[in-house]
Amino acid sequence: QSVLTQPPSVSGAPGQRVTISCTGSSSNIGADSDVHWYQQLPGAAPKLLIFGNNNRPSGVPDRFSGSKSGTSASLAIAGLQADDEAVYYCQSYDTSLSEIFGGGTRLTVL
Amino acid sequence: QVQLQESGPGLVKPSQTVSLTCSVSGTSISSGGFYWGWIRQHPGKGLEYIGNIYYTGTTYYSSSLKSRVTISLDTSRNHFSLKLTSVSAADTAVYFCARAGQCTNGECFENNWFDPWGQGTLVTVSS
Repeated sequence: QSVLTQPPSVSGAPGQRVTISCTGSSSNIGADSDVHWYQQLPGAAPKLLIFGNNNRPSGVPDRFSGSKSGTSASLAIAGLQADDEAVYYCQSYDTSLSEIFGGGTRLTVL
Repeated sequence: QVQLQESGPGLVKPSQTVSLTCSVSGTSISSGGFYWGWIRQHPGKGLEYIGNIYYTGTTYYSSSLKSRVTISLDTSRNHFSLKLTSVSAADTAVYFCARAGQCTNGECFENNWFDPWGQGTLVTVSS
């Protein structure tokens, strides 16, 4: 069981907006640790999507956005496209455990 | 463009030691400011942090694997390595290497993110 809790799955129709939550605790997200997000397409390595809670690396569309509040963070994907189907992971730092990942959320585009 | 590529034996027997190497191109691992890390993914499961090494050689390990893991740098070959001892079937996974950092464009954040990643190498532990 992951220290960062994500919903196992979310889904949405093309063009819709979905959000993926990442819930931590006072020893990680709540301790001012930043949250980063990754997209893992089938058979591929994870790719950095969001760093520092709400920053996009060069080349990541602005359809992807992140936020953080208290002990939780969220990834939002607007204007869903078929090739957004992937597993999304959040990552942060825990003062007791070091680097930690969420369990992953599988996004299905209906 | 920074690229990472893992290499390793593929198949290892239980109780043995597995050694993996991550070859880095496009930058020098001793150039400073970055960590070099290992993450694994059990079949069909999520990501598990293994450990990092700073360019100075300082290491950081997951508490759950600390007793069995060693990460080292080879600056002459521009690669870094992972050694995992006393492996069992529970260590069967895809092992990824990645660069880790917490600063970009002059702004630094509280903790590291991993970017870029290697493509991963499957390690199967079986007799």
